[in-house]
Amino acid sequence: DQQVKQNSPSLSVQEGRISILNCDYTNSMFDYFLWYKKYPAEGPTFLISISSIKDKNEDGRFTVFLNKSAKHLSLHIVPSQPGDSAVYFCAASAYSGGSNYKLTFGKGTLLTVNP
Amino acid sequence: GAVVSQHPSRVICKSGTSVKIECRSLDFQATTMFWYRQFPKQSLMLMATSNEGSKATYEQGVEKDKFLINHASLTLSTLTVTSAHPEDSSFYICSATKGQGLGYTFGSGTRLTVV
Repeated sequence: DQQVKQNSPSLSVQEGRISILNCDYTNSMFDYFLWYKKYPAEGPTFLISISSIKDKNEDGRFTVFLNKSAKHLSLHIVPSQPGDSAVYFCAASAYSGGSNYKLTFGKGTLLTVNP
Repeated sequence: GAVVSQHPSRVICKSGTSVKIECRSLDFQATTMFWYRQFPKQSLMLMATSNEGSKATYEQGVEKDKFLINHASLTLSTLTVTSAHPEDSSFYICSATKGQGLGYTFGSGTRLTVV
């Protein structure tokens, strides 16, 4: 059972336009959400996060929106740049006992920004 | 910022041999380290969570005798794939956190190919 879902395996946008990447989750115990960017054969790089007590967090060109009632979050990138082309993973964090918080990842969305 | 170094980045080994992968937090003390495995076009699947000085907690379906994890210090965790077989070929990634869900930093990953 996949608790974090990214239903679009790929997305293609023109440079300068907005990229919107979507993520849905099923576990109501998730209390922190993160977006990572990943290039092939590299580890994920943290982009932006949001706590479950907020509905929006902005950092430069990146904005994450959280709709708790719908169990949905999205990452907006504006304006999109060719260097943004990568796989974007949505991840959700939940307390897993002791001092541990465990991340659950979606399958990722391949973003291609065309010049 | 927090930096996690993972070595080797790529390894090819013969079936039946063992391979050790190292994950080091370079500029912070990692109370918790995580090991993930990623198959092509799939999500990062958590294999195990390790806390310094204690036994690792393995996810369901992960063989603890096959994937040996040692977290002997606050800056080093190792994953040993014992008696590797071709089906163990995958991309292995570690991440480290200071704990309490305070940020996850990923290593650059290790591409294991068992021939």
